[in-house]
Amino acid sequence: GENVEQHPSTLSVQEGDSAVIKCTYSDSASNYFPWYKQELGKGPQLIIDIRSNVGEKKDQRIAVTLNKTAKHFSLHITETQPEDSAVYFCAAIDYAGGTSYGKLTFGQGTILTVHP
Amino acid sequence: GAVVSQHPSRVICKSGTSVKIECRSLDFQATTMFWYRQFPKQSLMLMATSNEGSKATYEQGVEKDKFLINHASLTLSTLTVTSAHPEDSSFYICSARGQRGASGAKNIQYFGAGTRLSVL
Repeated sequence: GENVEQHPSTLSVQEGDSAVIKCTYSDSASNYFPWYKQELGKGPQLIIDIRSNVGEKKDQRIAVTLNKTAKHFSLHITETQPEDSAVYFCAAIDYAGGTSYGKLTFGQGTILTVHP
Repeated sequence: GAVVSQHPSRVICKSGTSVKIECRSLDFQATTMFWYRQFPKQSLMLMATSNEGSKATYEQGVEKDKFLINHASLTLSTLTVTSAHPEDSSFYICSARGQRGASGAKNIQYFGAGTRLSVL
């Protein structure tokens, strides 16, 4: 099955700085990679995703890059704000019928703290 | 706004009672629904996967008689924690997967806000 490793486990930045969270995956059949933001006491919220036929995707201050050869993908947040503080989870899934078909495999999560 | 509604958000119950948690997809038909459990400062642990009208598929180590899942329609799934005990106290999160709108991306998975279960 799939295994997703996420780093760092905690990340502290000053407001306005950039934050980068990295994930690696093991199953080359994985073809969809969402990122979720989870605030304290709430459910995860999808913030951006990328499919395996794309190398980069951007949405305002958030971007995700994917390197299929190296099997890693990263979340980039620019001009961070205190409200970006949360736990971020990467995930991977294979929709094409491989061994991990149908189930998201999550990374361990990154606690991001943005200091004013 | 929310696309998956989960209720209740918090429940406190006595040991031995059963608790039902509801999960609804609000503006799309969820072909598949998932139930997760999350311990403090940890990632989400998948408990079971259910497709409308069929029995849920439980992950290894999850007691199906303890955690009853019903997925009676394309917009509603319920998780019942039977004879709850203090060790069942946790944060339970549902998730629904489907296509929103005719032109929406398929297979996007959306999460509910979670239910904090405390068993006394």
